[in-house]
This record gives sequence, C-alpha cells and structure tokens, in this order.
Amino acid sequence: QVQLVQSGAEVKKPGASVKVSCKASGYTFTSYYMHWVRQAPGQGLEWMGIINPSDGSISYAQKFQGRVTMTRDTSTSTVHMEVSSLRSEDTAVYYCAREVAAGTVAWFDPWGQGTLVTVSS
Amino acid sequence: SSELTQDPAVSVALGQTVRITCQGDSLRSYYASWYQQKPGQAPVLVIYGKNNRPSGIPDRFSGSNSGNTASLTITGAQAEDEADYYCDSRDSSGNLWVFGGGTKLTVL
Repeated sequence: QVQLVQSGAEVKKPGASVKVSCKASGYTFTSYYMHWVRQAPGQGLEWMGIINPSDGSISYAQKFQGRVTMTRDTSTSTVHMEVSSLRSEDTAVYYCAREVAAGTVAWFDPWGQGTLVTVSS
Repeated sequence: SSELTQDPAVSVALGQTVRITCQGDSLRSYYASWYQQKPGQAPVLVIYGKNNRPSGIPDRFSGSNSGNTASLTITGAQAEDEADYYCDSRDSSGNLWVFGGGTKLTVL
C-alpha cells in the first residue's frame, strides 16, 4: 500500500537548522509531486512548498523562500525538508503529503504521520 | 487572492445534516479538496474533485461547488465525524497551494 513514513521528533535551539525526511513506498516515487505542510500547536494547516521528485524542481510559499530547502533522493525514494534559522514560531508538526492529479484536479493522499519539531532554548 | 475562508466552528445534532463551506477566488478555477483531522492524527482526504470520495470514506460525505464557494456536506452526522475539517486548492496562479483556516465540527 502507498505509505509515507517520516523521521522522528526533533528538539532544536533557536538559530539552528532541522532536516525532516519522508520515505515513500508502494508506488513509483518519481511519478507524483510531494508537498510539505506544517501545523503549529492549536493552529491550522499551512502549505510550505512542493517538490517534483522526477527532476527536483521546487516551488515554495513566499513566506518560506530563503529559509526552507526541499530535496529528494531517488535512490531511497525519500524527500527531505530543511528549515534554517529556526525560531520559536517554527515549532510545529511538519507533514509530507503526496499529490495525486487528474488533469487540473489534484489532491493530497496519503499524508505522512507528521514530525514534531520543537524550537526551544 | 490566495486565501480560502472557512467558518471557525460549526455544530450539528447527531443524525442531522451539516454543511461546511470554503470561499475563495481560486475556487472559480480549481476544485477544493477536503480533509478531516482528528486530534493527534494526520489529515485524511474525504472529498476531492467535483464530488469524489476515496475508498473507505462513508457516503454520508459529499461535496459541491458554486462560484467561489466549495461545500462539504455530512448527511446524518455521526459522533465519529467530530473533527477539524480543512479545504485546500491551488491558488489563483495555479502554481502554489493554499489551505482554509479549518472548521471545528462538534456533533451534539
């Protein structure tokens, strides 16, 4: 079955960087775009960006331009998302989600289980 | 505009029908998808496209669209439907994505 398994929880100090991984299985990795979404405690979902695992092309939400880097490793069917210069407001659960598309219609399914990143001094 | 607007909270009596709405300019061009999220869990897709349900989603969930508004309807709400519901779609440029702020559904 299609599955996205993310790396474990992280605790980081302000100013540090964190890298979250998302390993895909059960489908052809390079055939589906992957998105990253985060959710601060008690808040809603926030779209961060998208990576095309086939060619590595990326689009970021404007808010995250310059501070977030998404990469992929086709040999391990894994996408990575790194956030630099962490601040307390980056404390959140980070999700990867596979995009499924049919023409102009697209949706996210499935989602990874989420990775809690806590930024605290 | 790149925003999707949802009512923060909605309640429904057990067994009754409830509609959750999502408004935004991008919905004139793109269908919304709907996700259910229960506490401590990842979001789960419940409706996509014009009105499609993934396998395993009960048929009491349905979607509709009109102008700049997408709606998620639960016909005969059950206790287990109590959750947060989020809509999303591409933004007006078609290159980026946006989520609604979420609606907390309470089943009374």
